[in-house]
Amino acid sequence: EVQLMESGGGLVKPGGSLRLSCAVSGFTFRNAWMAWVRQPPGKGLEWVGRVKSNADGGTTDHATSLEGRFTISRDDSKKTLYLQMNSLKTEDTAIYYCVRDRWELLPVGCFDYWGQGALVTVSS
Amino acid sequence: DIQMTQSPSSVSASVGDRVTITCRASQDISRWLAWYQQQPGKAPKLLIYGTFSLISGVPSRFSGSGSGTEFTLTISSLQPEDSATYFCQQSNSFPITFGQGTRLEIK
Repeated sequence: EVQLMESGGGLVKPGGSLRLSCAVSGFTFRNAWMAWVRQPPGKGLEWVGRVKSNADGGTTDHATSLEGRFTISRDDSKKTLYLQMNSLKTEDTAIYYCVRDRWELLPVGCFDYWGQGALVTVSS
Repeated sequence: DIQMTQSPSSVSASVGDRVTITCRASQDISRWLAWYQQQPGKAPKLLIYGTFSLISGVPSRFSGSGSGTEFTLTISSLQPEDSATYFCQQSNSFPITFGQGTRLEIK
């Protein structure tokens, strides 16, 4: 059974930092391209960024709207994906989903496995 | 960025009805479009990729069509479990963008 389990969400003050983790099981993590997608409460979906497999270079792409505040990384030995979020703003309040990126199905990917999401609330 | 616009924003239909949701892209995205279903309190689920390719396990009452800038998701015979919000996603170029969602309610 495929499982993606996010952790590390919570309440943080504006300007603060937070790191989300996503533990993966049920597929070969080291071969997978992974991504983060977020959803403000009651609103639509926003792509945050992705990381390729290390075999494919391990490079990352991030949404430019995030102005370099967020960084995606991975640890294949722990089968874990990370999202480091710095200089957080109130508008970053959202559910953050860890997803598997099926880059091979569409030119810049689509997302076939999703975690349950981690709620990040940025508020003073 | 490519803007994705869905219509309608919400729709109410009866079991057995045929329902169509439209997604328009602000520029040509060929057939690089995906559809997701999100039930309340759950993560989205990938239904269709490449405009019309169904993900394994998705009921055949779901179908997709279109190309270029206009796309549709059709549910041929609505079932109670189809009550959800549906999102389109373009996969032609970065940044990946989604439509704002269409809420489907069962009467």
